Amino acid sequence: QSALTQPASVSGSPGQSITISCTGSNSDIGLYNFVSWYQQHPGKAPKLMIYDVSYRPSGVSNRFSGSKSGNTASLTISGLQAEDEADYYCSSYTSSTSQVFGGGTKLTVL
Amino acid sequence: QVQLQESGPGLVKPSQTLSLTCIVSGGSISSGGYYWSWIRQHPGKGLEWIGYIYNSGITYYNPSLKSRVTISVDTSKNQLSLKLSSVTAADTAVYYCARDLKGYGELDYWGQGTLVTVSS
Repeated sequence: QSALTQPASVSGSPGQSITISCTGSNSDIGLYNFVSWYQQHPGKAPKLMIYDVSYRPSGVSNRFSGSKSGNTASLTISGLQAEDEADYYCSSYTSSTSQVFGGGTKLTVL
Repeated sequence: QVQLQESGPGLVKPSQTLSLTCIVSGGSISSGGYYWSWIRQHPGKGLEWIGYIYNSGITYYNPSLKSRVTISVDTSKNQLSLKLSSVTAADTAVYYCARDLKGYGELDYWGQGTLVTVSS
């Protein structure tokens, strides 16, 4: 059982916007602004897309944005493109285990 | 450009010790104040943080694995190592090494991962 809860799957059409939620607790997401999001294509290593809730690493498209409210963090992808189809994982710093990941969300671009 | 490359046996017998290395290129493992991490991914499953090392010797491990895990660095070889003892089939996974910016889960560089299967 993952400590952070994500929907198993989301889908959207090209050009649309989608949001992936990541729900934790007041020991992780609710307590720290250290939420990250990763994109993983099949057979590849994860890629950092968002860190510290809403910051994008250099080179990541501004179509990706992150936010947080209470114990829930969100990743929004606007202007959906075919290459965005991948698995997405959230993670958070936590007072108990240092770092914890969500179970992952499979994004399908219709 | 920092690059990480994992290596090690792809098959380990139950009860033995899994040993992996991660060679870091494009930067010194002992500079920059980074946290050098190991993460694993069970087949078809999500990610699990194993632990990290920083300041060339201070370690922090996932409590669920702490009794079996050792992470170390060899600064002369610019490499990171992982040892996981008393392995079982549940330890079969793809193992990744990665660089963490501040120790809070900002894993900005990853190796390509190496699959380790535990089987007799």
